[in-house]
Amino acid sequence: RKEVEQDPGPFNVPEGATVAFNCTYSNSASQSFFWYRQDCRKEPKLLMSVYSSGNEDGRFTAQLNRASQYISLLIRDSKLSDSATYLCVVNTNAGKSTFGDGTTLTVKP
Amino acid sequence: EAGVAQSPRYKIIEKRQSVAFWCNPISGHATLYWYQQILGQGPKLLIQFQNNGVVDDSQLPKDRFSAERLKGVDSTLKIQPAKLEDSAVYLCASSLYSGVGETQYFGPGTRLLVL
Repeated sequence: RKEVEQDPGPFNVPEGATVAFNCTYSNSASQSFFWYRQDCRKEPKLLMSVYSSGNEDGRFTAQLNRASQYISLLIRDSKLSDSATYLCVVNTNAGKSTFGDGTTLTVKP
Repeated sequence: EAGVAQSPRYKIIEKRQSVAFWCNPISGHATLYWYQQILGQGPKLLIQFQNNGVVDDSQLPKDRFSAERLKGVDSTLKIQPAKLEDSAVYLCASSLYSGVGETQYFGPGTRLLVL
């Protein structure tokens, strides 16, 4: 079993749709959580950190459920420019990062 | 502010040859990471440096891969000899520290094709 697992995808949605991605992690000692975005043939870039209380940044909402060991990302009112691969990242208290394999989103007109 | 620089951007070699990649992190960033990203997968950590010391190299195939970060700034990753399965994108990233919540900034990567 992988340490970090994501929805297999791909997700194909129309503009304006709401889409949600889930990610589960196996290490209960994990301390911090992130979503990174990776465009085709580009490097990953931080989208947002995920806090225990949940956090929102514009159309993006991230939530953490420590008891069930999963995090989620919700995108509202999808735009064409949201098309990318979304990577779930989990850090241990030693600062070691483990990436999921990503979920690909395609937003269509 | 300049980002993470990597070179070369592309490299094609034959199996059993050697190859080296170079990374220059963001100025002042103490932590440097090398990742391997195979097509369709997420980045896999190969090695993590804090200044010029190794923090984690548990997933580095040490029989063929080596990395160094002299003077705690630039870093090189070497593969010798290369195998077909080493074909991947090699990403370098840096962060200010290696703390739990630190953001990693990635370079553009080096695409390696082993024939």
